[in-house]
Amino acid sequence: AQKITQTQPGMFVQEKEAVTLDCTYDTSDQSYGLFWYKQPSSGEMIFLIYQGSYDEQNATEGRYSLNFQKARKSANLVISASQLGDSAMYFCAMREFYGGATNKLIFGTGTLLAVQP
Amino acid sequence: DGGITQSPKYLFRKEGQNVTLSCEQNLNHDAMYWYRQDPGQGLRLIYYSQIVNDFQKGDIAEGYSVSREKKESFPLTVTSAQKNPTAFYLCASSPNRDGYGYTFGSGTRLTVV
Repeated sequence: AQKITQTQPGMFVQEKEAVTLDCTYDTSDQSYGLFWYKQPSSGEMIFLIYQGSYDEQNATEGRYSLNFQKARKSANLVISASQLGDSAMYFCAMREFYGGATNKLIFGTGTLLAVQP
Repeated sequence: DGGITQSPKYLFRKEGQNVTLSCEQNLNHDAMYWYRQDPGQGLRLIYYSQIVNDFQKGDIAEGYSVSREKKESFPLTVTSAQKNPTAFYLCASSPNRDGYGYTFGSGTRLTVV
């Protein structure tokens, strides 16, 4: 069965420093997609970045980059130059084809990031 | 602006009562989903729908029901059969195409009193 594992329940980082949030996944599919979402205390889920399994380059979106190591089945999120507004829960997710064309996502348990001034 | 609207934001229910959570989207997305989130856990899929008038059970469908009579709307009913309904409920939608994730609503926090 497909599974996402986030082993860091919580992390601290100093403002302006970089931080890496770990994510490993398990799948037997050749084609899959990996996502990162941010969930502030208000509760909404904000899409950050996407990596396809056949993408040769690591995805980047502004201060976010995804360190994709396919052989290790890891998809770590790197946030550069952390800001106080980055304090939130972060979820890694993987796309699973479930009964057809629908992009069902399965989620990890999340990492709570606290940025300190 | 396009997006997903969930209402209400907070909901209180007495034990033994059914309650319906609203989810409306104007993104013209084909697929819609309901997830449940408990403290310290990730999101677990309750139900999903790929097209109008069709929906499938997710991983934790027991005690819940849905309908998809319109493309824009995917209401979730939490029935009295759901043994532990207090949770945060998130609705999402997506195109049915590769490479697309979800757009989420802002969630409904349900508390059983």
